Amino acid sequence: EVQLVESGGGLVQPGGSLRLSCVASGFTFSDYWMTWVRQAPGKRLEWVANIKHDGSEKFCVDSLKGRFTISRDNAKSSVYLQMNNLRAEDTALYYCARAPYPGVRPYSLFYWGRGTLVGVSS
Amino acid sequence: EIVMTQTPLSSPVTLGQPASISCRSSQGLVHSDGGTYLSWLQQRPGQPPRLLLYKISNRFSGVPDRFSGSGAGTEFTLKISRVEAEDVGVYYCMQATQFPWTFGQGTTVEIK
Repeated sequence: EVQLVESGGGLVQPGGSLRLSCVASGFTFSDYWMTWVRQAPGKRLEWVANIKHDGSEKFCVDSLKGRFTISRDNAKSSVYLQMNNLRAEDTALYYCARAPYPGVRPYSLFYWGRGTLVGVSS
Repeated sequence: EIVMTQTPLSSPVTLGQPASISCRSSQGLVHSDGGTYLSWLQQRPGQPPRLLLYKISNRFSGVPDRFSGSGAGTEFTLKISRVEAEDVGVYYCMQATQFPWTFGQGTTVEIK
């Protein structure tokens, strides 16, 4: 069974940093692109970033470039989201999700974790 | 950025009756590889999103056949043939043809 479990969320002051983690199980993690998606309270889903199965390619929404970085450790079956200089508008539930099939460019998100909550407030 | 617009935003439905949600993209969703990467997701109250359909009309594993998708170009539709109580939630369309991937604003399906 595919499982994705996010952690690392919490309450942080504006300007602070957090590192989110997502541990995967039930599939060969090193074969799949992975994605972070977030959902602010009462808002639509927002794609954040993708990372290729070997980490050689990364894509991030333009508005977050320079502050958010996606990475992965295949030995630990984990994908990460480093978030720096956090702002109030980054308050959201952050989900990690898995691409459809191994080795191919992702075109959907087949499996989702339950999310980890990030709150940015003074 | 491709903007995804859903209608209606709310859909009160009688149990056993059909429901239909439209999704329009601001640009065509045909990728250079020929694929059209339009997905539909369901988010039940208090739950994470769950994939229903991908590439317009392909049902994901375990999704009941009362869910179907259609469309092409910039106009897409999700249909529920007979709404059941477990179908209550918010439905999103999503395009993964072009970065940044984008989502519709969501359509709430509720029981009358």
